[in-house]
Amino acid sequence: GENVEQHPSTLSVQEGDSAVIKCTYSDSASNYFPWYKQELGKRPQLIIDIRSNVGEKKDQRIAVTLNKTAKHFSLHITETQPEDSAVYFCAASRFGGGSEKLVFGKGTKLTVNP
Amino acid sequence: DAGVTQSPTHLIKTRGQQVTLRCSPKSGHDTVSWYQQALGQGPQFIFQYYEEEERQRGNFPDRFSGHQFPNYSSELNVNALLLGDSALYLCASRSQGWETQYFGPGTRLLVL
Repeated sequence: GENVEQHPSTLSVQEGDSAVIKCTYSDSASNYFPWYKQELGKRPQLIIDIRSNVGEKKDQRIAVTLNKTAKHFSLHITETQPEDSAVYFCAASRFGGGSEKLVFGKGTKLTVNP
Repeated sequence: DAGVTQSPTHLIKTRGQQVTLRCSPKSGHDTVSWYQQALGQGPQFIFQYYEEEERQRGNFPDRFSGHQFPNYSSELNVNALLLGDSALYLCASRSQGWETQYFGPGTRLLVL
């Protein structure tokens, strides 16, 4: 079945450094890849998403890249700040094909040290 | 504009009992999905409702059932609760035809 692998499971960086989280998906028909940020006790919040017809998308300090051939996609956070500390989840779905569920990775706990 | 809302926020039940969780989608959204998030894990898809019908189902037993009302709100019912059903239950809504899903704050269920 569909599967999304996410690495690393924990990531600790110094404030101002960059952070990179990587995901691999198994379903080659996946075409939509969102990233969610979940703070402790809060709801997952969408921070950026990318569709399969785009290789890269950027929104201020956050960027996502997609390699469809390798079935990899990555989240890049630059100039990290303490408020970036949270658990980040990648997900994949096959939108429009009748299988529009989100399949999530297991999450990456990011800690940004002041 | 209210986002996705869920009730109750917390719930404690005992094994064998039944529970009903509720979700109101974001204004303008007509499609509701339910996810189970165990501690330390990513959300797992339970099912999706559109036009008051279950459109897609994940790998969950028939003890998990749902409903969508004409106003697009939804309920998740779980019968014969097991200890392993303890989790955060998340509702997500979107507009049919759009990929972006917005999550509610969740209901934290504890089964004793």
